[in-house]
Amino acid sequence: GDSVTQTEGLVTLTEGLPVMLNCTYQSTYSPFLFWYVQHLNEAPKLLLKSFTDNKRPEHQGFHATLHKSSSSFHLQKSSAQLSDSALYYCAANYGNEKITFGAGTKLTIKP
Amino acid sequence: DAGVTQTPRHEVAEKGQTIILKCEPVSGHNDLFWYRQTKIQGLELLSYFRSKSLMEDGGAFKDRFKAEMLNSSFSTLKIQPTEPKDSAVYLCASRGQGAGDTEVFFGKGTRLTVV
Repeated sequence: GDSVTQTEGLVTLTEGLPVMLNCTYQSTYSPFLFWYVQHLNEAPKLLLKSFTDNKRPEHQGFHATLHKSSSSFHLQKSSAQLSDSALYYCAANYGNEKITFGAGTKLTIKP
Repeated sequence: DAGVTQTPRHEVAEKGQTIILKCEPVSGHNDLFWYRQTKIQGLELLSYFRSKSLMEDGGAFKDRFKAEMLNSSFSTLKIQPTEPKDSAVYLCASRGQGAGDTEVFFGKGTRLTVV
């Protein structure tokens, strides 16, 4: 069935280092892909989403590159900030309009 | 403009009780989702409504979980009877009309503890 895989449950980094959170999706279809972020005691909210014209989405220093060859949509940032500590979800819309989420990655940034 | 509103924010129930969680979507949104959030499974879809019609009932959650949408601005999720394994955060989300890349807006959730 439709699926989204996030391999890391927990990621801990030092402030200033690069961030990469992995996301792969079922490759049978070409879904719309999203990254949602949830800070402590807040609702999840959209961070960025894939474009149909293969442009690279960017927001708040984060970007994600869609690689159809590897069915991936990894989230990256060149330099982590303390405020980036949060729960990150990769999600996909496979065309049936429901949104399928990965298990989430908890990112902790230390000083 | 108000976002998605969920009540209550916290609920404690004894095993076997019936509980009802409430959600008000963003005004004008046609799609409404209920998710269960746990550390192990992440976000699991419980129900999906489009224009008040049930489109997806979350398969494994059918037997004790029932979501309803009596009007376009209000939805409930009933869990009957509750079990300790139901302890989780329940998130409601809504989405307006648009293409497949349309953003979903979430509420802050209801944290359910079943003892």
